[in-house]
Amino acid sequence: GESVGLHLPTLSVQEGDNSIINCAYSNSASDYFIWYKQESGKGPQFIIDIRSNMDKRQGQRVTVLLNKTVKHLSLQIAATQPGDSAVYFCAENMDSNTGKLIFGQGTTLQVKP
Amino acid sequence: EPEVTQTPSHQVTQMGQEVILRCVPISNHLYFYWYRQILGQKVEFLVSFYNNEISEKSEIFDDQFSVERPDGSNFTLKIRSTKLEDSAMYFCASSESRGNGYTFGSGTRLTVV
Repeated sequence: GESVGLHLPTLSVQEGDNSIINCAYSNSASDYFIWYKQESGKGPQFIIDIRSNMDKRQGQRVTVLLNKTVKHLSLQIAATQPGDSAVYFCAENMDSNTGKLIFGQGTTLQVKP
Repeated sequence: EPEVTQTPSHQVTQMGQEVILRCVPISNHLYFYWYRQILGQKVEFLVSFYNNEISEKSEIFDDQFSVERPDGSNFTLKIRSTKLEDSAMYFCASSESRGNGYTFGSGTRLTVV
């Protein structure tokens, strides 16, 4: 059905460690995926996106990996900082005609100093 | 960096009253969206809007909801007769093209009492 899910509700890491946040999506027809960061009381903030014709994309300290075979998406954050503490959502675009995004439940990332 | 602006940041209304949530999308964007997020839950799609008409709406977006772009800059969401379960954060978003380059506003917290 239409769902994007996250494997872990909370991830706790030490400052300086790398973080990996996972996401499973259900629709093999989805062709665009976005990771968002949401801090308390704020709107979703774009982190990185990837299209289905790619399997990896890198940004500044972040990498998104897409495995279409198992319909899995991950966000890797290098050298995690206290400012990275937030809720992270993956979202998929299932219908590029309308731009509708389907969001996952969210993973809370806690960075311990 | 261009922003999507939403007003008010917090709206308290009595059940049965009409509310209008306002958004100013990014000026060169052509696609507009409303999402909502009930406290502690994931972000849910409500409606997408392009070329002065709704391109897709979710099951949540029933006859009590309407959207309008009254001029060249504003994009509004109206809830005609609010219910307690309408209490949520409402996010406006805009994009330059379909399903790409979304920018979200900071949201309006709607509390129905």
